[in-house]
Amino acid sequence: SQTIHQWPATLVQPVGSPLSLECTVEGTSNPNLYWYRQAAGRGLQLLFYSVGIGQISSEVPQNLSASRPQDRQFILSSKKLLLSDSGFYLCAWRREQDEQYFGPGTRLTVT
Amino acid sequence: AQSVSQHNHHVILSEAASLELGCNYSYGGTVNLFWYVQYPGQHLQLLLKYFSGDPLVKGIKGFEAEFIKSKFSFNLRKPSVQWSDTAEYFCAVNAGSDMRFGAGTRLTVKP
Repeated sequence: SQTIHQWPATLVQPVGSPLSLECTVEGTSNPNLYWYRQAAGRGLQLLFYSVGIGQISSEVPQNLSASRPQDRQFILSSKKLLLSDSGFYLCAWRREQDEQYFGPGTRLTVT
Repeated sequence: AQSVSQHNHHVILSEAASLELGCNYSYGGTVNLFWYVQYPGQHLQLLLKYFSGDPLVKGIKGFEAEFIKSKFSFNLRKPSVQWSDTAEYFCAVNAGSDMRFGAGTRLTVKP
């Protein structure tokens, strides 16, 4: 069976510090991978998605970036966090013509 | 890029009342449609999905949704809600590799 991991579960970082959130998927190969930010009243905002190693599509211009160094690893990064980057970050995977499966999420608080 | 609109931000119902949550999307091509639910403190989970075939889709827990292509709609229904249906509901649309969600509708069911 497939599983998806995200870490850390919670993170408190000061403004201006770097960020690295990791997502890994087990039990499948060549999945499509996604990063979302969930905010109250705004649903899930698609940030990045990837259809393969090194292939990243960015949906929202901002100070975040994503990378996919391995088939089942998806990383969300920032060089300098802003207060507005606080939120709940969800990683998800799916195969074509299938539903999405979500990770447990990371609660990021920028102070 | 496609977008998804959920018209109701917060719906309050009494137990046994009927439910209909609206979802409209903007995309002219072939789409796959989903409804997800997020119970308090839990992960997103799939309620139902539509890929092709019968436009009336039945999901878990007595939910159903109807795809009306001419109206670009995929409304969620349940004939009689229960207190345990209190949750946030998200409509999602997939075309190609990306997957977009609506802002969500919070449903509160009063016992």
